[in-house]
Amino acid sequence: DVKVTQSSRYLVKRTGEKVFLECVQDMDHENMFWYRQDPGLGLRLIYFSYDVKMKEKGDIPEGYSVSREKKERFSLILESASTNQTSMYLCASSWGAGDYGYTFGSGTRLTVV
Amino acid sequence: SQKIEQNSEALNIQEGKTATLTCNYTNYSPAYLQWYRQDPGRGPVFLLLIRENEKEKRKERLKVTFDTTLKQSLFHITASQPADSATYLCAGGSQGNLIFGKGTKLSVKP
Repeated sequence: DVKVTQSSRYLVKRTGEKVFLECVQDMDHENMFWYRQDPGLGLRLIYFSYDVKMKEKGDIPEGYSVSREKKERFSLILESASTNQTSMYLCASSWGAGDYGYTFGSGTRLTVV
Repeated sequence: SQKIEQNSEALNIQEGKTATLTCNYTNYSPAYLQWYRQDPGRGPVFLLLIRENEKEKRKERLKVTFDTTLKQSLFHITASQPADSATYLCAGGSQGNLIFGKGTKLSVKP
């Protein structure tokens, strides 16, 4: 069964901490994505990557960075966590350049206190 | 700005009936639309994709349509069951990334 694995289901961090969210996929997908999901706002794209070492800003990149050193791994970094970054974070991957469904991970519920 | 709108936040139906969910797109023309199911606390799961040159697509009890004149997709679940209760997300894509709607929460009562 193909998978996108996010390293933590629940995470609690303090304001100002540097936070790493890890995502690994085993499907040899080129594309990987990081979203956050908040009630009433839906899924919002933070960053995405179409290839190793490539990264592109999504709709809400402020306060975040990403790293993709290997094809299967896409990391989201919160440089200095703030309470407004409390959210559900979802990683996804997909084939190629277009009309393929995304495979999502189970999500990481991050609380910043 | 480009938008995917799912006008119903929630839909309640009786078991055995057909559920119909609506997705409208504005300010762009997606080449394809996708539908996902999301259960509470979990990531979305891909269900179906329909391209702009396809009017209808089916998968088991699911049917999706794509009407480029109305700028709309309809998602149907026939013979609905309580296990179909979930949030359903519509997403539209073209050459770039998917734009997601906020979802419709479907509740199927026994």
